Amino acid sequence: GAGVSQTPSNKVTEKGKYVELRCDPISGHTALYWYRQSLGQGPEFLIYFQGTGAADDSGLPNDRFFAVRPEGSVSTLKIQRTERGDSAVYLCASSPGGTPVEQYFGPGTRLTVT
Amino acid sequence: RKEVEQDPGPFNVPEGATVAFNCTYSNSASQSFFWYRQDCRKEPKLLMSVYSSGNEDGRFTAQLNRASQYISLLIRDSKLSDSATYLCVVNNASNYQLIWGAGTKLIIKP
Repeated sequence: GAGVSQTPSNKVTEKGKYVELRCDPISGHTALYWYRQSLGQGPEFLIYFQGTGAADDSGLPNDRFFAVRPEGSVSTLKIQRTERGDSAVYLCASSPGGTPVEQYFGPGTRLTVT
Repeated sequence: RKEVEQDPGPFNVPEGATVAFNCTYSNSASQSFFWYRQDCRKEPKLLMSVYSSGNEDGRFTAQLNRASQYISLLIRDSKLSDSATYLCVVNNASNYQLIWGAGTKLIIKP
């Protein structure tokens, strides 16, 4: 069975540009999470989806960040007007239900804003 | 004060030794606790959940001390393949957020 996949694996963009990061969760997993991780830090929560709806988006740092999951499966994290401080590894995780037990992570997208 | 704190290490340990590290959390309402393992430039993977009664999985033992608000991880007979960063994770019952520590780096030396 396929695990969580994320594309692209690496993204280099210029400051001010728009980027989209994609996450394909494990089939049948209803819960999906986005995190970002900077070097030497643990993952920082961004947003949690249960099905199609964002159940908790309190971790999004500002309104430049937005995420969707229109059909309850694939999710896209969108970042507008990127800043150098947005550079990090963006991790997606999924789990079978609404509880956070045993989240399965994708390999991440390494975003570099120049 | 961070919600979840860990000693960043690195812990340099000879192969075959026993190593233990702790993680402290600040929210007394925390309900669920986990240890994740993360290899360099890889994603985190669940190592074990931590139960109130403590739990053991092979060479790994996790303990929870609610009174002092810390969890611990003990690794016995350490292997070279145990080299990784170990992340302490805490969940509050009021939401689904996982709060992550910054991780403890473990290096097992031959």
